Amino acid sequence: DVKVTQSSRYLVKRTGEKVFLECVQDMDHENMFWYRQDPGLGLRLIYFSYDVKMKEKGDIPEGYSVSREKKERFSLILESASTNQTSMYLCASSPPRRFGGSVLHFGNGTRLTVT
Amino acid sequence: SQQGEEDPQALSIQEGENATMNCSYKTSINNLQWYRQNSGRGLVHLILIRSNEREKHSGRLRVTLDTSKKSSSLLITASRAADTASYFCATDPTWGNEKLTFGTGTRLTIIP
Repeated sequence: DVKVTQSSRYLVKRTGEKVFLECVQDMDHENMFWYRQDPGLGLRLIYFSYDVKMKEKGDIPEGYSVSREKKERFSLILESASTNQTSMYLCASSPPRRFGGSVLHFGNGTRLTVT
Repeated sequence: SQQGEEDPQALSIQEGENATMNCSYKTSINNLQWYRQNSGRGLVHLILIRSNEREKHSGRLRVTLDTSKKSSSLLITASRAADTASYFCATDPTWGNEKLTFGTGTRLTIIP
């Protein structure tokens, strides 16, 4: 069974802090994704990566950056946290489409509160 | 922009009844997927239907796809209290890279 592990379930940070959200998957998936989920807005893609050191912006990348130094790990970075980044953050992974991929395996989410 | 839009936004039914949720989308797709999310947790994949398929079954789940109307429905038969969750459709577009676009979800409540 694919396991996607997010390092924290709950985080509380102060405005202006640099925040790291970590995600690790154990299935050797090429693709990894960061979404944020807000009530009434569904899931919105922040960034995704289809290979080590490769990244692409999603729909709402502003205020975020990512790092993928190893295949199994994909980090989301909030350079200077703001209150409008309070949200549930979901990490996911998938094999590439050529292997019948696109089915996402999600972690349990990190609920981030910025005060 | 939202590719998938679920309808209704919320649904409450009695245990044992069937639940139907609908999803509409805008562009050409490779496949459409349904996911479930229990409160405060991540999403779990339920079923995938390809663009050349019209209907698919998995246990108590039945999914239909009408590409001419750009719509899909998810039917859960003989609902149980454990089916209480949010359900999301997600589309894998024909053109572009390998990222799914999710709708805003249907919140299903099963009343015991």
